[in-house]
Amino acid sequence: DAKTTQPTSMDCAEGRAANLPCNHSTISGNEYVYWYRQIHSQGPQYIIHGLKNNETNEMASLIITEDRKSSTLILPHATLRDTAVYYCIVRGYSGNTPLVFGKGTRLSVIA
Amino acid sequence: GAVVSQHPSRVICKSGTSVKIECRSLDFQATTMFWYRQFPKQSLMLMATSNEGSKATYEQGVEKDKFLINHASLTLSTLTVTSAHPEDSSFYICSAAGTKNQPQHFGDGTRLSIL
Repeated sequence: DAKTTQPTSMDCAEGRAANLPCNHSTISGNEYVYWYRQIHSQGPQYIIHGLKNNETNEMASLIITEDRKSSTLILPHATLRDTAVYYCIVRGYSGNTPLVFGKGTRLSVIA
Repeated sequence: GAVVSQHPSRVICKSGTSVKIECRSLDFQATTMFWYRQFPKQSLMLMATSNEGSKATYEQGVEKDKFLINHASLTLSTLTVTSAHPEDSSFYICSAAGTKNQPQHFGDGTRLSIL
């Protein structure tokens, strides 16, 4: 699996958009970008994934650059409950392949 | 959405005890499940891949005789920590995906504390 690079931590004001960057410069053509988050003492929660087109769901938006070497997860209106560690993971599109977690970004949403 | 249930959520037991953790996929069948371990302030580390009807595949450094994995059905995988010691205290998490087109979903984890 290609490696990803994320900032160690970020702060965001409540109600503002949280933009979490991820670099994956060695991503290969058949690999997807997945985002998960882990709230303290819970299992990771799936957020969104994409290949090359931008994606949006009820939780977040995923913006992938045209060269696919980086992406940004956007939480449009961050709340205190969005405080968590966010993981960007690159992996082939197979449910039978494990997810390899890096250190992620610790997002703190501040009132 | 897909739900993965993990039980128990917390275990506290004496050193030398064996502890079984269950991971169930509630609304889909999972031929493959994964077991992770997470120490405080660290990221998740993959322990093993659990395959229905066959032997699990363990990551380097994970003792297969200590961490017994059984995947007897398409909805249940179990991890047994045999003769647990304080250094086995950790947060154990499982995950599963129904088909290759589905993202993996995780259980809520089991916090194991060995006294």
